[in-house]
Amino acid sequence: NAGVTQTPKFQVLKTGQSMTLQCAQDMNHNSMYWYRQDPGMGLRLIYYSASEGTTDKGEVPNGYNVSRLNKREFSLRLESAAPSQTSVYFCASSHTWDSNQPQHFGDGTRLSIL
Amino acid sequence: GENVEQHPSTLSVQEGDSAVIKCTYSDSASNYFPWYKQELGKRPQLIIDIRSNVGEKKDQRIAVTLNKTAKHFSLHITETQPEDSAVYFCAAPSGGFKTIFGAGTRLFVKA
Repeated sequence: NAGVTQTPKFQVLKTGQSMTLQCAQDMNHNSMYWYRQDPGMGLRLIYYSASEGTTDKGEVPNGYNVSRLNKREFSLRLESAAPSQTSVYFCASSHTWDSNQPQHFGDGTRLSIL
Repeated sequence: GENVEQHPSTLSVQEGDSAVIKCTYSDSASNYFPWYKQELGKRPQLIIDIRSNVGEKKDQRIAVTLNKTAKHFSLHITETQPEDSAVYFCAAPSGGFKTIFGAGTRLFVKA
């Protein structure tokens, strides 16, 4: 019973490199989310997908793109990495787009941009 | 924009004492209030949640209270144990699609 699986767990990039973070869930959830977590700032929403086929910007979308590949998978892409994107990235899912539902998180990807 | 404020940012208690963390929210339409616990290096995990049709909910040593008039809700942990040491996040809906998280409270339980 894997829940939400993220890959990779750790990554170091150089400024300007590109990278795709992968996320998959096996709970048949409709909605998926990408957050970044920085010290003292909680979890900030980057992008979300309310349902398969839709994506929308969150609080901090600049510098990122997403793809909802199918119901299970939601990827986050950094086209040209910048040091300000050094963070821990969490993918999450919930049963519906209704924000009155609990979210289930992956283990996170620790990303460092040099 | 909508926001969620969480206090305190750090809380240190003696084992066996109680801990209280408070959050205030701004979106008066919010009606679902979860609390997540994040141990060091781990994922956030839901520990308890409350909906606006009740004022309090308990689950063993943890409880959440909600005051919709004042727009605040609190997490109460009784008989704290060292394994309660973690970062706790509150959250509230915003605009129907999004969830806004508080900045977190780092709880230390001293043995």
